[in-house]
Amino acid sequence: EVQLLESGGGLVQPGGSLRLSCAASRFTFTSYAMSWVRQAPGKGLEWVSTISGSGGRTDYAESVKGRFTISRDNSKNTLYLQMNSLRAEDMAVYYCAKAAGSGTYHGMDVWGQGTSVTVSS
Amino acid sequence: DIQMTQSPSSVSASVGDRVTITCRASQDISFYLAWYQQKPGKAPNLLIYVASSLQSGVPSRFSGSGSGTDFTLTISSLQPEDFATYYCQQANSFPLTFGGGTKVEIK
Repeated sequence: EVQLLESGGGLVQPGGSLRLSCAASRFTFTSYAMSWVRQAPGKGLEWVSTISGSGGRTDYAESVKGRFTISRDNSKNTLYLQMNSLRAEDMAVYYCAKAAGSGTYHGMDVWGQGTSVTVSS
Repeated sequence: DIQMTQSPSSVSASVGDRVTITCRASQDISFYLAWYQQKPGKAPNLLIYVASSLQSGVPSRFSGSGSGTDFTLTISSLQPEDFATYYCQQANSFPLTFGGGTKVEIK
């Protein structure tokens, strides 16, 4: 079964940093764009960032641009999200998700279970 | 950025009812729209992609339609397992954006 497993969430102080990881299995990782989507407590879904299969293209939501960095290690089938200068409004469950087809036009068909990020002093 | 507006924000319905959720994009997104179902504490699940294509494994009571700026998700006969929150997402251009969600509740 195709699977994504996130890790790295936790409690961090405002201004701090955290790196999320997402381990992929049972699909050809390099063939698909990967994204991070977050959900604040009691709120809707918010797209955060996407990286192409090769890693050559990255896109970010304006709310995280300059603070978050998406990357991937295709040799390890792993996606990352480096989060710096964290703010209270970054507190959310973070999901990694696989593109459903070529590019991102077909939505996201496989999601991880989510990892929770709490930003608090 | 493309804004996605879903309506209604919530709907109360009974098992067996037909339920329709609409999603409007602030500009033309062709047919690059996806629909997701999310249950409490769980990750979203892709139901429909490119506006009307049913994702593998999704029951046929779910259907999608529309193009351009106006889209619809229809559940033809609501089942107990369909009580959840539904989101649309435009996949036409970055930044990707989601609708605010529609919660389908038991009447």
